[in-house]
Amino acid sequence: DSGVTQTPKHLITATGQRVTLRCSPRSGDLSVYWYQQSLDQGLQFLIQYYNGEERAKGNILERFSAQQFPDLHSELNLSSLELGDSALYFCASSRGSGAFYEQYFGPGTRLTVT
Amino acid sequence: DQQVKQNSPSLSVQEGRISILNCDYTNSMFDYFLWYKKYPAEGPTFLISISSIKDKNEDGRFTVFLNKSAKHLSLHIVPSQPGDSAVYFCAAPRTGANNLFFGTGTRLTVIP
Repeated sequence: DSGVTQTPKHLITATGQRVTLRCSPRSGDLSVYWYQQSLDQGLQFLIQYYNGEERAKGNILERFSAQQFPDLHSELNLSSLELGDSALYFCASSRGSGAFYEQYFGPGTRLTVT
Repeated sequence: DQQVKQNSPSLSVQEGRISILNCDYTNSMFDYFLWYKKYPAEGPTFLISISSIKDKNEDGRFTVFLNKSAKHLSLHIVPSQPGDSAVYFCAAPRTGANNLFFGTGTRLTVIP
């Protein structure tokens, strides 16, 4: 158990819909990262927040947005969903924002768009 | 733009033998590399890392080797155990940041 929690574990929805994925970081961790893993792909970095502020952006679509709240939990919002958005979405947290802070991953949310 | 590549999607090894997982990278600015291990229905967990100032780092049964001139790293597991069966990802942090570039993973199966 990494200490990072993600809800829900599974989500099935239709094209065009909007969903929200939630992540609670490990106690004391200030950084939250979101990654997407599509079929047979490595994890692709989407976005990072540190202590409530956006710190880095990766290959995140404009239809996707995220935020980190004062209690440090984070939400990833996916809208106008397409079939290709079906993937595993992982959240990770780390103590700081530097390159040598170990990232701890949650179990992921499996999103299926039908 | 796959900056970290794992060209072998799968590997099968007998219990007790050595497992060698390979990873190549294209960005010469990478100065730190990590291996993560992932079991089904779980998130990746950190396994071992290496800084570019070293060419080897060892932790118990796990050793990572780095060949900077070839832009290649490998993970050796000796001896392999059935519990090592998992997907292994190599990763490197984006220069000046902490988000990671991941390879596509290698599924290791250790046969009892």
